Amino acid sequence: EAGVTQSPTHLIKTRGQQATLRCSPISGHTSVYWYQQALGLGLQFLLWYDEGEERNRGNFPPRFSGRQFPNYSSELNVNALELEDSALYLCASRLVNEQFFGPGTRLTVL
Amino acid sequence: AQSVSQHNHHVILSEAASLELGCNYSYGGTVNLFWYVQYPGQHLQLLLKYFSGDPLVKGIKGFEAEFIKSKFSFNLRKPSVQWSDTAEYFCAVGGGYQKVTFGIGTKLQVIP
Repeated sequence: EAGVTQSPTHLIKTRGQQATLRCSPISGHTSVYWYQQALGLGLQFLLWYDEGEERNRGNFPPRFSGRQFPNYSSELNVNALELEDSALYLCASRLVNEQFFGPGTRLTVL
Repeated sequence: AQSVSQHNHHVILSEAASLELGCNYSYGGTVNLFWYVQYPGQHLQLLLKYFSGDPLVKGIKGFEAEFIKSKFSFNLRKPSVQWSDTAEYFCAVGGGYQKVTFGIGTKLQVIP
């Protein structure tokens, strides 16, 4: 069974630009979660999508947004990038009570 | 609001030493508890989980954790660590229909 996949692996942007990160959940999983793993801050919950709808979001500004498509894949968009947005962005999909994580996208903002 | 506190941010042990990583949580409902591990350059992966039942949970690679409800704790243990256990370990609470809240992580370095 294929795991959660994310693309791209690495992304380099400059301040003010927009970044789009993609996630494909495990087949059959309808929930997708996004987390930010910044240096020294652990994993911070960003967004949760289920059945195409945003169900919950963490303490992040509105320039962090996303969506979930009919095939349950998801996109995370970060607008007006700032230097402190540099981090590893992890996506997870859920089966019952357990989340399965993808390899992450390393976003670097210069 | 749910929160997780991991007591040690960086632990250095020699091979064969015993390991205990502390984790305390705050959560207002039925608690689901997890320990995840992130080996260098690899995915975050589940070590073990507690949903209900026996409070002593055994996971992969010889790890175990004990849920002590009265102390709001879920400490991770391993009797004898190996160099290959060098990784970052995250305690987490929640799951199911809620978000998972992670602790800040503990970096474990095992010296051969």
